[in-house]
Amino acid sequence: NAGVMQNPRHLVRRRGQEARLRCSPMKGHSHVYWYRQLPEEGLKFMVYLQKENIIDESGMPKERFSAEFPKEGPSILRIQQVVRGDSAAYFCASSPSTGVQETQYFGPGTRLLVL
Amino acid sequence: GENVEQHPSTLSVQEGDSAVIKCTYSDSASNYFPWYKQELGKRPQLIIDIRSNVGEKKDQRIAVTLNKTAKHFSLHITETQPEDSAVYFCAATMRGSAARQLTFGSGTQLTVLP
Repeated sequence: NAGVMQNPRHLVRRRGQEARLRCSPMKGHSHVYWYRQLPEEGLKFMVYLQKENIIDESGMPKERFSAEFPKEGPSILRIQQVVRGDSAAYFCASSPSTGVQETQYFGPGTRLLVL
Repeated sequence: GENVEQHPSTLSVQEGDSAVIKCTYSDSASNYFPWYKQELGKRPQLIIDIRSNVGEKKDQRIAVTLNKTAKHFSLHITETQPEDSAVYFCAATMRGSAARQLTFGSGTQLTVLP
């Protein structure tokens, strides 16, 4: 029973490039959440998605950031024209479609470094 | 929106002693409170959670208490071991609503000294 999967685990980009982060939820989970963790800080909510729908994007910057969770395939967090301040660990979490829906399980994260 | 404050930011205890981490929340509508343990470079792992219809929950050496009136909840670790050393995060959210985001505290770096 695989857990939440994220790739890549590490990503290096130069300023101005695009970063694309992928998240596959646990089997049976249709709710996906993205969080950002700056060095030595807590996790900050970015966006909550269900299949083909963005439910809450209140924590995501309005410019350069976008997220999707298509009918087929992983959820993707996309950062365009990256800047040094985007350097952080980005964690994806998923929760069940039924039953105890509020419990969120985290993936291993993608550590983004912008040079 | 919800705001969660967590104390202390760092905590050192001797092996075998108990550790207590405290969190307060602002939104009285919050009703689900998980605790996560994060080792260096690893994912946050759920270690225990509590819902607002109970005041205390225990799982072996770990317990969580909730005071809804005062809007605070605490993590208690007894008989600490070196492998308990990690950063612990509390969080709060509202079950059953569309707004399911977890609001996290700022974390507590727990060091268990052998």
